[in-house]
Amino acid sequence: GAVVSQHPSRVICKSGTSVKIECRSLDFQATTMFWYRQFPKKSLMLMATSNEGSKATYEQGVEKDKFLINHASLTLSTLTVTSAHPEDSSFYICSARRDRYYGYTFGSGTRLTVV
Amino acid sequence: SQELEQSPQSLIVQEGKNLTINCTSSKTLYGLYWYKQKYGEGLIFLMMLQKGGEEKSHEKITAKLDEKKQQSSLHITASQPSHAGIYLCGAFPFLNSGNTPLVFGKGTRLSVIA
Repeated sequence: GAVVSQHPSRVICKSGTSVKIECRSLDFQATTMFWYRQFPKKSLMLMATSNEGSKATYEQGVEKDKFLINHASLTLSTLTVTSAHPEDSSFYICSARRDRYYGYTFGSGTRLTVV
Repeated sequence: SQELEQSPQSLIVQEGKNLTINCTSSKTLYGLYWYKQKYGEGLIFLMMLQKGGEEKSHEKITAKLDEKKQQSSLHITASQPSHAGIYLCGAFPFLNSGNTPLVFGKGTRLSVIA
């Protein structure tokens, strides 16, 4: 199989604090992981591509200093929302692909609420 | 850039009825994925289509990719409440290199009523 685990599933934080979201590939190595954001009743919006051992590639309009991505190992990528504000409240989800013969696997998502 | 348009945006069907969801691309599809999502949860992989004219089935769900590879349809036969959720189509914006993120449609919200 190809399982991706994402934690936490829900987090509530105060404005100004930082929140870290973890995405782990449990039974395969992922040199690349993708981070998406989903607004209510909207599609998934790609935020960035996380590359193991190198800097993440951010999509246009995504603040790299706000959304810090670290891919320190072949099985773990983290997304840190720094100095969170209420407008950062959203559903964040990661994705990885085992190889070209497998479909993309998604984590269970993290619902972030900033109060 | 490639855009995927899904129709309808939302759908309410009576249990036992058949339904079809469409996904139309502005460009050639090099790989088309169908996912199901429950609100606030992750995506469940349903099917992947790559070849023009390809058709795959899993239980009561059938997905097709047309010959021109610019449109895919998802058909559910004899719908059940367990089919309710958001159906998303995702595609590669260009020929798959292995590390290409998917581009998604806006989703179709399906409700199945008894």
